[in-house]
Amino acid sequence: EADIYQTPRYLVIGTGKKITLECSQTMGHDKMYWYQQDPGMELHLIHYSYGVNSTEKGDLSSESTVSRIRTEHFPLTLESARPSHTSQYLCASSDQVLTEAFFGQGTRLTVV
Amino acid sequence: ELKVEQNPLFLSMQEGKNYTIYCNYSTTSDRLYWYRQDPGKSLESLFVLLSNGAVKQEGRLMASLDTKARLSTLHITAAVHDLSATYFCAVELNSGYALNFGKGTSLLVTP
Repeated sequence: EADIYQTPRYLVIGTGKKITLECSQTMGHDKMYWYQQDPGMELHLIHYSYGVNSTEKGDLSSESTVSRIRTEHFPLTLESARPSHTSQYLCASSDQVLTEAFFGQGTRLTVV
Repeated sequence: ELKVEQNPLFLSMQEGKNYTIYCNYSTTSDRLYWYRQDPGKSLESLFVLLSNGAVKQEGRLMASLDTKARLSTLHITAAVHDLSATYFCAVELNSGYALNFGKGTSLLVTP
């Protein structure tokens, strides 16, 4: 069973607030990813990282930032939340060779 | 740009029937993954296909990969209600890139 954890699981916040979604993995994976998914819809890549101090933007601009200071930790920050950010955010990780991605349980974000 | 297309997007089938979900992708790749997602849940890895002609089976599900046709199939045999979920295929463009996901196939198995 994959060991990748996201917190919080559910979050309701007001417009304009700054929030950080946490993601940690204990598998020693170099690659980590953030995807955004609306209910029943496809996944959109927001950010990914190949390793420490490496981050890249995905194809969905969600006005968010990430950091990768430690291998196991890949937090996602929204500087100013908007209702359009209401969605589920999925964190995943994989190793360099196999690239099979293991997903966390997700954070369901509602911005009011 | 790598495009991944699944069809059908919605599938309602009766228990006991067989069906195939298709996943086409636009650029050469020899790494393809199938995931399952239950409503309100995260994604669970089902199959990892790493070479042309790869075939994997788990219970009533069987996945295959044809890299020359850029096609993967997920075959369902004698469907049961517990298989109701959304199934995603994902393709890796090159080693080191993130996975590109299809839109998913929402499967409903009815009595």
